[in-house]
Amino acid sequence: DAGVTQSPTHLIKTRGQQVTLRCSPKSGHDTVSWYQQALGQGPQFIFQYYEEEERQRGNFPDRFSGHQFPNYSSELNVNALLLGDSALYLCASSKTATYEQYFGPGTRLTVT
Amino acid sequence: AQKVTQAQTEISVVEKEDVTLDCVYETRDTTYYLFWYKQPPSGELVFLIRRNSFDEQNEISGRYSWNFQKSTSSFNFTITASQVVDSAVYFCALSEGGSTLGRLYFGRGTQLTVWP
Repeated sequence: DAGVTQSPTHLIKTRGQQVTLRCSPKSGHDTVSWYQQALGQGPQFIFQYYEEEERQRGNFPDRFSGHQFPNYSSELNVNALLLGDSALYLCASSKTATYEQYFGPGTRLTVT
Repeated sequence: AQKVTQAQTEISVVEKEDVTLDCVYETRDTTYYLFWYKQPPSGELVFLIRRNSFDEQNEISGRYSWNFQKSTSSFNFTITASQVVDSAVYFCALSEGGSTLGRLYFGRGTQLTVWP
């Protein structure tokens, strides 16, 4: 049983560019959440998707957007990248919002 | 205000010592969930335990044990007879009920180093 997978593993972008990160949830899971983890900090909630809709959102600007597909996989898009967007981006999936969330290995984004 | 506080930034112990990681949370909800995750150097967060607010029983799983006390809003984690492989960053997290159900609020983490 495959766990949560994310791609790519690492990414280097230039300030002002746009980036798309991808996530496939654990089999049987229908809810996907995205988190940003800056170096030395705990993960911060970006948003959560369920039934292809954004169900809730954390305190992140509109430059951060997402999508969930019918197969429950998800994308995180970040426009107009800033140096401060450099972080580990983690995807988590769960069966419902109440169950434990399982995390993927993350995508390390570096903005230069 | 921080919903989850992990006051210990770093802890170092020698192998076979017992170690307790502290977690204090803050919420007004009566229904909520508490979690512990482990993050080894590889970066992937590994789920360890989930407790709901109605279940205050302590839990033991092998060398791991958890002490949940609503009276002090604490959910502490103890590793007995620590091993080098326990070295990692440990995060405590809270999920509240209502409209934010499923959103995890993380503490800043505690870096545990176990020396041989």
